[in-house]
Amino acid sequence: DAKTTQPNSMESNEEEPVHLPCNHSTISGTDYIHWYRQLPSQGPEYVIHGLTSNVNNRMASLAIAEDRKSSTLILHRATLRDAAVYYCILNYYGQNFVFGPGTRLSVLP
Amino acid sequence: NAGVTQTPKFQVLKTGQSMTLQCAQDMNHNSMYWYRQDPGMGLRLIYYSASEGTTDKGEVPNGYNVSRLNKREFSLRLESAAPSQTSVYFCASWLGQSNQPQHFGDGTRLSIL
Repeated sequence: DAKTTQPNSMESNEEEPVHLPCNHSTISGTDYIHWYRQLPSQGPEYVIHGLTSNVNNRMASLAIAEDRKSSTLILHRATLRDAAVYYCILNYYGQNFVFGPGTRLSVLP
Repeated sequence: NAGVTQTPKFQVLKTGQSMTLQCAQDMNHNSMYWYRQDPGMGLRLIYYSASEGTTDKGEVPNGYNVSRLNKREFSLRLESAAPSQTSVYFCASWLGQSNQPQHFGDGTRLSIL
């Protein structure tokens, strides 16, 4: 299974943008990049996904490098409710989603 | 729309007891998964079922069995619980297309004394 690497933790101030990086140097052409987040005491929830082009939705934006070896999840204005563990995952037509330790985001008031 | 429903939400067992964790999804998804999450760690895959009638081992299958009862339901059984199985267990389902996300339940918090 393709692997990703993320920083263990990051901090942000409330109402400031947050850029969460993810490296996936072994990505293949058919791998989708998925981002999930896990709020305290909850199951992971889907945030956004992309293949090659940058993507936007109501929760976040996903910026994908031209060579696809890295991506960045962008929260445009962090709120206290965005404090969570964020997971970057690759998925292809296989069945396994491999969750690493993720990045623990702290949002300071 | 309930999504993925897990029961029970909490359970305390004694070492050696058995129990079954239940999971049901109402999204007509083909694939279902069981993960465990230990404190401060990411999720580790225990077993998965790519389709009704099939099951496969994940990263940490020892001490567990699973049953894909039908398309909706996927259960996880601990035959003889051990303290090392104290964890939070998450069930997930997936349509089976790589541009679609997994959907997770709220978890079962299991303590084994």
